[in-house]
Amino acid sequence: SAVISQKPSRDICQRGTSLTIQCQVDSQVTMMFWYRQQPGQSLTLIATANQGSEATYESGFVIDKFPISRPNLTFSTLTVSNMSPEDSSIYLCSVAILTDTQYFGPGTRLTVL
Amino acid sequence: SQQGEEDPQALSIQEGENATMNCSYKTSINNLQWYRQNSGRGLVHLILIRSNEREKHSGRLRVTLDTSKKSSSLLITASRAADTASYFCATDAASGSRLTFGEGTQLTVNP
Repeated sequence: SAVISQKPSRDICQRGTSLTIQCQVDSQVTMMFWYRQQPGQSLTLIATANQGSEATYESGFVIDKFPISRPNLTFSTLTVSNMSPEDSSIYLCSVAILTDTQYFGPGTRLTVL
Repeated sequence: SQQGEEDPQALSIQEGENATMNCSYKTSINNLQWYRQNSGRGLVHLILIRSNEREKHSGRLRVTLDTSKKSSSLLITASRAADTASYFCATDAASGSRLTFGEGTQLTVNP
């Protein structure tokens, strides 16, 4: 299994500001992902965080709005830029390990006023 | 976009009863995984079933997979109030690839 931590666990932010979310894994993993869960909804993939190269974004998500870094095999960050109330969601990182199981971090609950 | 659909969307039962949740998907899969989420927290991995498997057990959980019908079910036996949560199925098309989630079932187990 993998133990994943996220910081911050929650935050309340003002419109127009940016927030960077950190994801730390206790072991080296190849695949890391960032998901968004809007209130009352299921999870939607934002992007795949690639180590040493640019992230791969899903349709509807762009790098200018959600820049992602992945400097090594255990750490990644997601920034939510120029926030609006519509960005209020839970943001979760996940990792895929050799057994194909994907484990999720505890999530970051973001509220934008 | 979500390829999975789950039913029911909400299920309310009494403690001790069994709970069955269903998940359908649209494209070929490599694996199907079930997760639990308590009150908007992180997702807890429950069980993974591979496309060449038909049934899997883990404690009080039983998962079935019917690839011909592109559907899966999660059975929780002898439910407890602590089982109250949202349950999601998620599929992947290849090892280690992105997951596509169903809409989820909100299970309430009344004491």
